[in-house]
Amino acid sequence: DVKVTQSSRYLVKRTGEKVFLECVQDMDHENMFWYRQDPGLGLRLIYFSYDVKMKEKGDIPEGYSVSREKKERFSLILESASTNQTSMYLCASRFGGGYNSPLHFGNGTRLTVT
Amino acid sequence: AQSVAQPEDQVNVAEGNPLTVKCTYSVSGNPYLFWYVQYPNRGLQFLLKYITGDNLVKGSYGFEAEFNKSQTSFHLKKPSALVSDSALYFCAVRDTGSSNTGKLIFGQGTTLQVKP
Repeated sequence: DVKVTQSSRYLVKRTGEKVFLECVQDMDHENMFWYRQDPGLGLRLIYFSYDVKMKEKGDIPEGYSVSREKKERFSLILESASTNQTSMYLCASRFGGGYNSPLHFGNGTRLTVT
Repeated sequence: AQSVAQPEDQVNVAEGNPLTVKCTYSVSGNPYLFWYVQYPNRGLQFLLKYITGDNLVKGSYGFEAEFNKSQTSFHLKKPSALVSDSALYFCAVRDTGSSNTGKLIFGQGTTLQVKP
């Protein structure tokens, strides 16, 4: 079974802090994704990566950046955390062979910015 | 614009009764459609997908979904609901926009509550 591990389940940070959310997958998947989940809004794509060192903006990239130095790890960075970034953050990975492959999700990181 | 809609925020059903969670979509070209389930404090789990072929797709935990091209719908169904099916359900469609990146567009989610 694919395992996608997010390093923290809960995080509390202060406004203006730089925040790192880490995600590791163990199935050699090429594609990795960061979503945020907010009630009534579903999942919105922040950034994704098709392979090592590659990254593309999703639908809501403002205030975020990402890093993919190794295939198994995809990091989401909040350069200067703000209260409107309080949310559930979900990482996902996918086999890169085709768009019909399902996403495999981590258990999420609930971030609170005070 | 490409989109997915789940018209019901919550669906309530008695255990043993059939359940339906609705999803409609709007994309250009052939849709790739997915259903995911999220249990409390967990990430999303893949249930089933429609890519091509038979309009009735069977998935995990006894769920199935019916693709209807004329109604642009992909409703999730189960013949007999269990209390353990209570969860948040998401419909998703592959974004077929100009970038053709294989991104998924998710609906806003429907909470399924199965009462004993």
